[in-house]
Amino acid sequence: QQPVQSPQAVILREGEDAVINCSSSKALYSVHWYRQKHGEAPVFLMILLKGGEQKGHEKISASFNEKKQQSSLYLTASQLSYSGTYFCGTHNDYKLSFGAGTTVTVRA
Amino acid sequence: DAGVTQSPTHLIKTRGQQVTLRCSPKSGHDTVSWYQQALGQGPQFIFQYYEEEERQRGNFPDRFSGHQFPNYSSELNVNALLLGDSALYLCASSLVGSSYEQYFGPGTRLTVT
Repeated sequence: QQPVQSPQAVILREGEDAVINCSSSKALYSVHWYRQKHGEAPVFLMILLKGGEQKGHEKISASFNEKKQQSSLYLTASQLSYSGTYFCGTHNDYKLSFGAGTTVTVRA
Repeated sequence: DAGVTQSPTHLIKTRGQQVTLRCSPKSGHDTVSWYQQALGQGPQFIFQYYEEEERQRGNFPDRFSGHQFPNYSSELNVNALLLGDSALYLCASSLVGSSYEQYFGPGTRLTVT
């Protein structure tokens, strides 16, 4: 079953922060985050494997709450290059299921 | 170090025809997964190949089949094409045991008319 992402879209000015949430009705063992720019392939950002784990990629970080079956992606001091669609993915039995995505637009 | 490559880039087919898409994984990777991405949607898992066998399959009909070769490259075949098969088909490679960090290719845009 697909994870659910929110919000569907967010518009930011450079330097602003945003949070993208990902939740699942099934137990989560790992959460994957990818970013896809228009017309390009999804690019791996990070994997969180354990509850409570936090990771960072540039000024993008994520947390994983295993008990709540949720993960959040934090965009801090956003840059123009952060624009794109962010997907969370949940992994189960070799299958990676992606959410519908959150489109982030960062404006100057 | 070559990344994941896919061919062709674009393809236009007619309903009822058959199509074959190709993927070469990133150097050193042994696992290939295929995804279908409709416009405005997230990638949907079709199947994964490892050691030349289909290891897992998503909710796609038998019209979708695949193959992995000894050099780890892979093909996706779709028979009896429907209009709804129009989408971006993505191939992703990974290394077994690497927590399934996947590297995606640029995709093949399939249009069925």
